[in-house]
Amino acid sequence: EIVLTQSPATLSLSPGERATLSCRASQTFTNTYLAWYQQKPGRAPRVLIYTSSTRATGIPDRFSGSGSGTDFTLTISRLEPEDFAVYYCQHYGDSQISFGQGTRLEIK
Amino acid sequence: EVQLVESGGGLIQPGGSLRLSCAASGVTVSRHYMSWVRQAPGKGLEWVSIIYGSGSTFYADSVRGRFTISRDNSKNTLYLQMNNLRADDTAVYYCSLYYYRMPYWGQGTLVTVSS
Repeated sequence: EIVLTQSPATLSLSPGERATLSCRASQTFTNTYLAWYQQKPGRAPRVLIYTSSTRATGIPDRFSGSGSGTDFTLTISRLEPEDFAVYYCQHYGDSQISFGQGTRLEIK
Repeated sequence: EVQLVESGGGLIQPGGSLRLSCAASGVTVSRHYMSWVRQAPGKGLEWVSIIYGSGSTFYADSVRGRFTISRDNSKNTLYLQMNNLRADDTAVYYCSLYYYRMPYWGQGTLVTVSS
C-alpha cells in the first residue's frame, strides 16, 4: 500500500501570494496517476489536477501540478480569495487507492 | 458529460445493512474502473473499494468482509452493499469513476450509523 504524506498540514498565506503544497509517497509510483483535489466545507472534492500535471476541465491556469517518482507538488501561482480550502492528493490506478491527510490553506 | 449521482444513504442502527447506488450518465460504467470513497465528519478522505472493468474488486481492510462492491451494466449503476454497519462507518460516501485517467466524483450520500 502506498502511503501519501502531505505537507504542511496548514499553510497560512495572503491573497496574491504563491502557495506550494507537497505530497510525498512511501514508494515510487509505477504510473503517474496522482491527482489533486480542492474541498470546501459541505462540498464534494473537486478535481484540480490528474496524472500529476494535467489540469481538469475548467480549472484556472494559476493551478499547476508537477512531480514524479515519490515527490509531487501543487502550486497556486497567485492566491485568490476562493482558493482557501483543504487540498488532498490521491494515488489511483492501482489495486488500492490512497489519499494524503490533506493540507488546509487558510487566510493569513 | 460524465455525471454520477449517489443515493441510498440514511440513518441505520448498528449491525444493520444498507445498499448505496451510484447512477452514471454520459459514460458506460463497465468500461472504466470505479470506486467508493468515504469521509467521516470532520475527517479526511478514505478509500473504501474499487471495481475494475474486468470485474476484479478490492477493499480497504476496514470494510473487507462486510462491504461488497458491484455494478449492474444494464442499469449503468454502481452499488455498495454494506452489512454489519458500525458507528465508525458513519460518513459521506462518494462514488468516483476514472474516465481515461481523469477522476469524476458524485456529490455524495450521507450514511449515519446510530441507535
